[in-house]
Amino acid sequence: KNEVEQSPQNLTAQEGEFITINCSYSVGISALHWLQQHPGGGIVSLFMLSSGKKKHGRLIATINIQEKHSSLHITASHPRDSAVYICAPRSYNTDKLIFGTGTRLQVFP
Amino acid sequence: NAGVTQTPKFQVLKTGQSMTLQCAQDMNHEYMSWYRQDPGMGLRLIHYSVGAGITDQGEVPNGYNVSRSTTEDFPLRLLSAAPSQTSVYFCASSHMWSSYNSPLHFGNGTRLTVT
Repeated sequence: KNEVEQSPQNLTAQEGEFITINCSYSVGISALHWLQQHPGGGIVSLFMLSSGKKKHGRLIATINIQEKHSSLHITASHPRDSAVYICAPRSYNTDKLIFGTGTRLQVFP
Repeated sequence: NAGVTQTPKFQVLKTGQSMTLQCAQDMNHEYMSWYRQDPGMGLRLIHYSVGAGITDQGEVPNGYNVSRSTTEDFPLRLLSAAPSQTSVYFCASSHMWSSYNSPLHFGNGTRLTVT
């Protein structure tokens, strides 16, 4: 079993829809990153969180440490949100990031 | 402030050839790392460094060498390229985890094909 599981693997949406991407992990962590990778490859850090909730514009990230689960929400989705979203918890024991395989999101106008 | 600069963007090598992927950052980050990204797999750590003169292996270090002579630069060397090293490579940097609430900054990637 992978240490990090993301769901869904692929997601399509109409512009304006509310999007949720889930991340479950099996190791103890000290923090968790959400990353965005656009077609063409560039990777951007969206959030780093260790508890609770963070919001940046239309993006919201939440984490429940006890349940070993994090979610990324996109409100009022837009075609420019089309990208791969990657969850990466940082292992408390090794201090290394463990990357999920990503969720590919396509938002259609 | 250029962030993380990674070169080249594309490279084709023949089996057995050597090359160096360059990575430079201008943010005075202590931590620098190299990852490879393969289809269907998450990013995997090749090598990392927590400061000038200090390097360590990640989860897939075989076939790669690194050095960190300055804070700014962290080159990745392939001494004898193999087809299994065909991948997309990313350099990333940040301030040290325990000291800062610091996100990772990524380079734009190098798409390497070994024939």
